[in-house]
Amino acid sequence: QKEVEQNSGPLSVPEGAIASLNCTYSDRGSQSFFWYRQYSGKSPELIMFIYSNGDKEDGRFTAQLNKASQYVSLLIRDSQPSDSATYLCAVPMNYGGSQGNLIFGKGTKLSVKP
Amino acid sequence: KAGVTQTPRYLIKTRGQQVTLSCSPISGHRSVSWYQQTPGQGLQFLFEYFSETQRNKGNFPGRFSGRQFSNSRSEMNVSTLELGDSALYLCASSLIFRGEAKNIQYFGAGTRLSVL
Repeated sequence: QKEVEQNSGPLSVPEGAIASLNCTYSDRGSQSFFWYRQYSGKSPELIMFIYSNGDKEDGRFTAQLNKASQYVSLLIRDSQPSDSATYLCAVPMNYGGSQGNLIFGKGTKLSVKP
Repeated sequence: KAGVTQTPRYLIKTRGQQVTLSCSPISGHRSVSWYQQTPGQGLQFLFEYFSETQRNKGNFPGRFSGRQFSNSRSEMNVSTLELGDSALYLCASSLIFRGEAKNIQYFGAGTRLSVL
């Protein structure tokens, strides 16, 4: 049974700081990883996905993948109060990510203080 | 382009009743997945449908079932409702490209089910 673990938080950072969110996964064969953001009372929305070892940057967001250590992280630079949300890490249930099912971590709640 | 549409948005039922939830995927998306979200368990995968066939199923009892129609719209049904079925039920659709889903799932707003 694949598992995805996240620190539930809350993680509190001041406005303008870097927020670092971490996720570990149990299945060494996992190949693709997804970060979703969920505002309170809303549905999850995709922020980033990453397939290869190393870093992937998109605006203020950077995803980092280390397959040897089985962790994936999300960095948010210049954090804004609007970034306050729960961040969910997910991996596909099946290898290759070819089917529409994801195993989610329970999420890390981020609070950015003005 | 319209997003994933779920109806109804809110439902109140009593124990023992059954409920049907509906999901219309993004136009062109053929994969529809269902998830249950609760404060204690988080987001848990229920099942996925593609071309009217259930491809994958999560670890939920047989009271939870679903189907997909030829236009890719999907329904899920929960029979003999229990108090623990109170949750946010989310539907997500994915684009199938060259036989593989990119697995970028786009979620609907969800249906909040309360079982009394």
